[in-house]
Amino acid sequence: KAGVTQTPRYLIKTRGQQVTLSCSPISGHRSVSWYQQTPGQGLQFLFEYFSETQRNKGNFPGRFSGRQFSNSRSEMNVSTLELGDSALYLCASSLGTPNQPQHFGDGTRLSIL
Amino acid sequence: QKEVEQNSGPLSVPEGAIASLNCTYSDRGSQSFFWYRQYSGKSPELIMSIYSNGDKEDGRFTAQLNKASQYVSLLIRDSQPSDSATYLCAVNIWGADGLTFGKGTHLIIHP
Repeated sequence: KAGVTQTPRYLIKTRGQQVTLSCSPISGHRSVSWYQQTPGQGLQFLFEYFSETQRNKGNFPGRFSGRQFSNSRSEMNVSTLELGDSALYLCASSLGTPNQPQHFGDGTRLSIL
Repeated sequence: QKEVEQNSGPLSVPEGAIASLNCTYSDRGSQSFFWYRQYSGKSPELIMSIYSNGDKEDGRFTAQLNKASQYVSLLIRDSQPSDSATYLCAVNIWGADGLTFGKGTHLIIHP
């Protein structure tokens, strides 16, 4: 069974640009969550999508947005990039029902110059 | 604000011994508890999940949950050098928001 697939693996952008990251969940998983991981803050929750609807949202500015498609694939967009957005962005999928664990993809390493 | 606390380590354990990793959480409403292992440069990998008070064993791993004390632990028996990694504790309240992670404990298994 294929795992969570994230593309691209690496991205280099400059301040002010925008970026779109993609995530394909494990087959049958309807929930996709996004996390940001930095050395200082650790893993922080961005948002969760379930059946094409944002179900939960973390404490990040509106520059961070996402969406989910009917096949459960999800995209995350960050606009007006800042140096502090440099991080590993992780996508995790789950069945989306109570107590179901989340499984992570390999992540997208975003570097802002 | 929910908080999950872990000792950052490094925790150094001799090969073959038991490694004990601890985690405390602030929100009494937390319902699901997970341990993830993360190797340097890699993504988190699910090791254990636990939802009820008591112990849950899976191979060399045992997760322990005490909701009254708001405490979760992970025991690794017969530690191997390949267990050297950062171990992340995560908690969740269903329907609230995503997983809340601790900063992780860096575990080193030495020969």
